[in-house]
Formats: sequence, structure tokens, C-alpha cells
Amino acid sequence: AQSVAQPEDQVNVAEGNPLTVKCTYSVSGNPYLFWYVQYPNRGLQFLLKYITGDNLVKGSYGFEAEFNKSQTSFHLKKPSALVSDSALYFCAVRDGSGGYNKLIFGAGTRLAVHP
Amino acid sequence: DTGVSQDPRHKITKRGQNVTFRCDPISEHNRLYWYRQTLGQGPEFLTYFQNEAQLEKSRLLSDRFSAERPKGSFSTLEIQRTEQGDSAMYLCASSLGRGRGAFFGQGTRLTVV
Repeated sequence: AQSVAQPEDQVNVAEGNPLTVKCTYSVSGNPYLFWYVQYPNRGLQFLLKYITGDNLVKGSYGFEAEFNKSQTSFHLKKPSALVSDSALYFCAVRDGSGGYNKLIFGAGTRLAVHP
Repeated sequence: DTGVSQDPRHKITKRGQNVTFRCDPISEHNRLYWYRQTLGQGPEFLTYFQNEAQLEKSRLLSDRFSAERPKGSFSTLEIQRTEQGDSAMYLCASSLGRGRGAFFGQGTRLTVV
């Protein structure tokens, strides 16, 4: 069965420093991987996806993610964190071969960026 | 606003009552999904529509749950005889086609008292 794991419940980083939010996956076949962000009282917002191609995927709001097949990881990164990046981040993998977005989400990582 | 719209945003109901939620997807999106998110967890898949056809239902969707998407436009999710365990955020998402990301609505937060 497909699954993702987010090993950190919370990540703390100072504003202006680089940030990394970790995600590892377990899939059969080629992985379709996603990152979403959730702000308080708001729905999930799509950040980026990896389907195929370059291992470094660029997304919204300056975020990027690095796909590493050998380590089965898809870590989310940003070179310089902003206080406004503080939110809940979810990694997800597409389940099944049906070609639609049945997503399996991780438990989420809370990112706290301190001034 | 051209995003996914959900109504109501919040619903408090007494145990045993029926509730219905509505989702209006992005207009050109033919694929629609319902997810449920409980506190401290990631969203869990409930069901998927392609146009008006419900093509997959999770085992999480017990007999008390029913979803429809008449005419392939908006969708409704009904929960009959609500239980306290149904308290959660119910999220709707839509997407256009293969390989495209899904866009989520703001969710309906259900509290069963």
C-alpha cells in the first residue's frame, strides 16, 4: 500500500534561515508526490507536485522539493523562511493507478518561523 | 472567487440528526473528491466522482454516508444519524485531469454534540 511519513511533528526555524520539512514515501511503481499547506481556518493549498522529470521541483511561494529515489524522500525546502510561512504542511502520494487524485496524506508537520 | 466553495463552513448538530454539505468545484473541473480530516491528522480520502459518476468509495464511508453529484456539477455529502465520531473537517477538492493537482475548498467543520 502507498504511504507517506512525516517524521517531524513540528519544525522551528528563524526568519531568513533555510527551512526543510521532511517526507518519506513508500509506493509500488512510480510515485506521484505532492505538498500542500494549510493555514488556520483555511483549506489545503497546493504547493507543488512531482510526477516525473527533474528531481528538483519548484512550486508556489518560493518553495521547492527534492525528489530522491534512492532515499525514497521528497523533502520540502525554502532558501529563506518568512514568518508568514508558519502553517501546517502535508506531504501526499497518489494512491492507485486510476489516474485521479486519490491522495494518501501524511500526518502533517507544523512549521513555526520565528522573527 | 473561482476556487472550490463549500457550504456551510461550520455545522453543529445533535447526535442522531442528519446533515448535508455542499461543494461547488472549480467550474471546468470534471473530477471531484471528498476527504475527511480529524484533529491532528492528515485528510483521508472518502470518495471520488468523475463527472456525475461516483467511481470510488472508501471503506470509511459507512452506510450512513452518501454522496451525490447530479449533472456533474456541485456535489452533496449527507450523513444520516450523526455520531460523535463523525465530528471532523470535511474537505472537497476538484481537479481537471490526469496528473493535475487537486484544489481544495476551505472545508465544512462538523461538530456533533
